[in-house]
Amino acid sequence: EAQVTQNPRYLITVTGKKLTVTCSQNMNHEYMSWYRQDPGLGLRQIYYSMNVEVTDKGDVPEGYKVSRKEKRNFPLILESPSPNQTSLYFCASTQTDRGPYGYTFGSGTRLTVV
Amino acid sequence: LAKTTQPISMDSYEGQEVNITCSHNNIATNDYITWYQQFPSQGPRFIIQGYKTKVTNEVASLFIPADRKSSTLSLPRVSLSDTAVYYCLVGEGSGGYQKVTFGTGTKLQVIP
Repeated sequence: EAQVTQNPRYLITVTGKKLTVTCSQNMNHEYMSWYRQDPGLGLRQIYYSMNVEVTDKGDVPEGYKVSRKEKRNFPLILESPSPNQTSLYFCASTQTDRGPYGYTFGSGTRLTVV
Repeated sequence: LAKTTQPISMDSYEGQEVNITCSHNNIATNDYITWYQQFPSQGPRFIIQGYKTKVTNEVASLFIPADRKSSTLSLPRVSLSDTAVYYCLVGEGSGGYQKVTFGTGTKLQVIP
C-alpha cells in the first residue's frame, strides 16, 4: 500500500532532550515536507526537501533540523525541544511531475514537551 | 506564494449541496488550485485540483472563473461523514515546488 509512515504516533518528552521523528514513504517521491498543526493556526510548513541532499526552510523552521540522505526517509530532529514545540506534526510527500500539490500525508505525530 | 482567504466555518444539513469559496487575488499564471479535506487528528487528504473552468471527480466539483481570482469547492449531497476542515491551496505548477502554506481552512459541520 502506498503510504507515508511516521513514528512515533505519540511522544511525551522533557525540555532539552533531543528527539527524532521519523518519516518514510514507499512511493519513490522526490518531494517531502514537514508541517506542524496548532489550534487556530492551520498547517504551517517547517522544512521541505526537493530531493536527496536538498532541503530548505519553510515558514517555521526555528528549533528544527532535517536531513535527506535517502529518497524514502526525511526525519525531523528537535535538538533541544521546548514546550512551544508541543504540537501535531505531519510529514507529506509527492511526486514532482504529477501536478503541484497531490500530497500524501502521514497519520501524524502528537508531541508533548513538558 | 498566493495568499488564500476562506470562511472560517460553515454549517449544512445532511443531503444539501455545500459550496465553499476561496479567494486568491494574487494567483500567478503557473498556479494550480487544490483542495484538501482533513478529519480531526488525521493528515489532510487530497480532494481535487484544477487550473481553470470546471473539474469534477467522484467526490467533488471545483469551479474556477475566468479571472481565477477565486474558486469554489462544491460537495454534492453532504453526509455527516463530510464534517471536516477543508483547505484551499494555491501554488506553482509542476516542477515549481517551494514553500507551501495551507492556511486555517474552513470547518464544515454537517447537521443531521
